[in-house]
Amino acid sequence: SQELEQSPQSLIVQEGKNLTINCTSSKTLYGLYWYKQKYGEGLIFLMMLQKGGEEKSHEKITAKLDEKKQQSSLHITASQPSHAGIYLCGADRGSNYQLIWGAGTKLIIKP
Amino acid sequence: DGGITQSPKYLFRKEGQNVTLSCEQNLNHDAMYWYRQDPGQGLRLIYYSQIVNDFQKGDIAEGYSVSREKKESFPLTVTSAQKNPTAFYLCASSSPRSAGLSYEQYFGPGTRLTVT
Repeated sequence: SQELEQSPQSLIVQEGKNLTINCTSSKTLYGLYWYKQKYGEGLIFLMMLQKGGEEKSHEKITAKLDEKKQQSSLHITASQPSHAGIYLCGADRGSNYQLIWGAGTKLIIKP
Repeated sequence: DGGITQSPKYLFRKEGQNVTLSCEQNLNHDAMYWYRQDPGQGLRLIYYSQIVNDFQKGDIAEGYSVSREKKESFPLTVTSAQKNPTAFYLCASSSPRSAGLSYEQYFGPGTRLTVT
């Protein structure tokens, strides 16, 4: 079963609107990674969060990790066509190099 | 420029044939990984390697094999024993988990394998 749940599975947003993608675990997250993927391409690293309550921003994308370290959100402000793609969250398994992954959120930006 | 290369981008094979996917990195990373991506399922770990000449099975290693003879290279062989080999395969690498180093995984562009 999936240990990381991403929601929503897909999202269609009007250009210029804000949006939020969530990544939730039933267990404590020791390191949470957000990646973006264009269809048929590799993953591009966005941000990593480690501490409860941590928040990071890059351009119009902000990622947060809640205090309990069980949920992370990715927020895009004033969406643009370049934001379209699949967003994936990954999390440390804690004891080795492995990550577990969410199923991804497909984001479509309507012009 | 440093990065990860995977070749070829698209690969077609007949059922029953083994096929090897290439992955090369010049990031000087110790750890390398192979993932399989299917629609709606995110990434699933096939094999990973922390150092040269050592590798471990991931969640879905059956029907696959790897080697790690050089730090830069981590080829994946999809054998005829893999029941459903058609998928998108991604290779990644990362630094070791040491204080002061970031260890996010860097990904190659992927290889789409189609077996008919």
